[in-house]
Amino acid sequence: GAVVSQHPSWVICKSGTSVKIECRSLDFQATTMFWYRQFPKQSLMLMATSNEGSKATYEQGVEKDKFLINHASLTLSTLTVTSAHPEDSSFYICSATGGVTEAFFGQGTRLTVV
Amino acid sequence: GENVEQHPSTLSVQEGDSAVIKCTYSDSASNYFPWYKQELGKGPQLIIDIRSNVGEKKDQRIAVTLNKTAKHFSLHITETQPEDSAVYFCAAMRGQGAQKLVFGQGTRLTINP
Repeated sequence: GAVVSQHPSWVICKSGTSVKIECRSLDFQATTMFWYRQFPKQSLMLMATSNEGSKATYEQGVEKDKFLINHASLTLSTLTVTSAHPEDSSFYICSATGGVTEAFFGQGTRLTVV
Repeated sequence: GENVEQHPSTLSVQEGDSAVIKCTYSDSASNYFPWYKQELGKGPQLIIDIRSNVGEKKDQRIAVTLNKTAKHFSLHITETQPEDSAVYFCAAMRGQGAQKLVFGQGTRLTINP
């Protein structure tokens, strides 16, 4: 299947700083990317949907100013957690699709805010 | 909106036995049903999927069945192996192209040697 690379795989940051997570589609053009958040032993919670070249669509309850999403090219989307706090600590996962039904997931990023 | 219920939440089987995980969905317009395997600390990996125009699909030891009338679909793993131990998620989606997946709650499958 297609490859989606997410970086970094883990990051520790200080409270109040910002963290950027990258999601790249390596062998296909990702017209749409999805960002999820997953708490321990829970399912994936969709945060936002981003289409290349347009603003992301955020799910209800997700702060768009807190979680900045950029999808400037067909192979790269970034999620920036601004002014991170301990409650933002979680596992963040992206997925990408090239317009067909199947979506491919990245490896995930474990964010720990101390 | 769509709601996907997944059962059981945990499942423990002996190596070599079969495992079955079931999901129900609420939106009759949903037409794509993938299953993902997630290992600890990793992203979900698609293992099999089925579309609404098909009742069953098989890939080696893994099979998925779909009952559109009852709005439920199931994952069947035969001849289970220790490496099958993971969390499995079902999902449902309606429409074509890049639409949102709605996930079930997940099933933690443990294969006992």
